Amino acid sequence: EAGVTQFPSHSVIEKGQTVTLRCDPISGHDNLYWYRRVMGKEIKFLLHFVKESKQDESGMPNNRFLAERTGGTYSTLKVQPAELEDSGVYFCASSEEGVLLNSPLHFGNGTRLTVT
Amino acid sequence: AQKVTQAQTEISVVEKEDVTLDCVYETRDTTYYLFWYKQPPSGELVFLIRRNSFDEQNEISGRYSWNFQKSTSSFNFTITASQVVDSAVYFCALRSGASGSARQLTFGSGTQLTVLP
Repeated sequence: EAGVTQFPSHSVIEKGQTVTLRCDPISGHDNLYWYRRVMGKEIKFLLHFVKESKQDESGMPNNRFLAERTGGTYSTLKVQPAELEDSGVYFCASSEEGVLLNSPLHFGNGTRLTVT
Repeated sequence: AQKVTQAQTEISVVEKEDVTLDCVYETRDTTYYLFWYKQPPSGELVFLIRRNSFDEQNEISGRYSWNFQKSTSSFNFTITASQVVDSAVYFCALRSGASGSARQLTFGSGTQLTVLP
């Protein structure tokens, strides 16, 4: 079974440019999450999709970030325009979940974003 | 509010030593779930173990063992006879079952473990 796949693995862009990160979840997983780790700090929640619907986007830092999951399969996270403080590692995760919410999240390798 | 504290930022041990990674959590919910993840140098976050708040049994899996104590809000992770391949960043995480943002994982800041040959 293929795991969560993220593309690109690394991205270096200049301040003010646009970057789009892609995540392909494990097949059959309805739940898809975006997290990020900035400058060695905690890994922070950004948002959660259930199929194509945004279930919780309380972690999105501002309106420069736009996430989509058209068709409920892969997801994209666009940062436009990028700022220096957006640098970090962006993780995507997916899960199957039952009532007890105890299903683990399966993470991808992350995309390391550097804004210069 | 939920919080996970991993007070140990970095630990270095020599191969074959035992090492314990500490995790202390805070939550007001009575139902919650605790997780440990490993991030090797390759970058992916690998799920290691899950523990439910109503199950305080400790667990041993090979060289790994976990000590969950609700009385001290701790969920510590021990590696016995450490190996160089255990070198990684280890994250403790918490998920509660009652709050509106229940599906979020709250992570600790991670502990960088280096096992020296």
